[in-house]
Amino acid sequence: QVQLQQWGAGLLKPSETLSLTCGVFGGSFSPYYWTWIRQPPGKGLEWIGEIHYGGSTNYNPSLKSRVTISLDTSNNQFSLNVRSVTAADTAVYYCARGQVKLTHWGQGTLATVSS
Amino acid sequence: DIQMTQSPSSVSASVGDRVTITCRASQSVGSWLAWYQHKPGKAPNLLIYAASTLQDGVPSRFSGSGFGTDFTLTISSLQPEDFATYYCQQANSVPFTFGGGTRVEIK
Repeated sequence: QVQLQQWGAGLLKPSETLSLTCGVFGGSFSPYYWTWIRQPPGKGLEWIGEIHYGGSTNYNPSLKSRVTISLDTSNNQFSLNVRSVTAADTAVYYCARGQVKLTHWGQGTLATVSS
Repeated sequence: DIQMTQSPSSVSASVGDRVTITCRASQSVGSWLAWYQHKPGKAPNLLIYAASTLQDGVPSRFSGSGFGTDFTLTISSLQPEDFATYYCQQANSVPFTFGGGTRVEIK
């Protein structure tokens, strides 16, 4: 049974870099896409971007200049970096497996940006 | 970006009621449409993909329909565990946008 477990810093100051990692347990990266999604407090879900097991990426244009998603196949994990964060980046961040259907999700991580 | 518009934004219903949620895309997404159930403090859960295919393990009271720009999620007989927020998501073109959500509340 595939499980995703995510971790990373929860409290950041403006202009810092948000870094989250999602470990994949009980399954392999192939042949899937791996996705990051976030939900700001009191708002809906926002698609951040995805990475294919082969390494190609797609990003939300609204975040593209500040976001990097990467794979670490040797450790069965993938990561999200969001640079130059502001209060608007405060959200619960989720990792997930899939593209047209997100079948497995991490538990969610609250990242708060505050001075 | 493709805009996804859900209606209603919230609905009050009783156990046993039939509930219908609609999702409209600003341009055609074909059948590349999924529905998710989201409860507070938990990760979203996939219900329907490819507009009408029920995900394994999801109760058959959930069903989806539609093609192109207009889609529907139906809960045939609402159960206590179904009170949650429901989101549609298009996977036709990047960015894969979500609808604003429909909150299903207890009447």
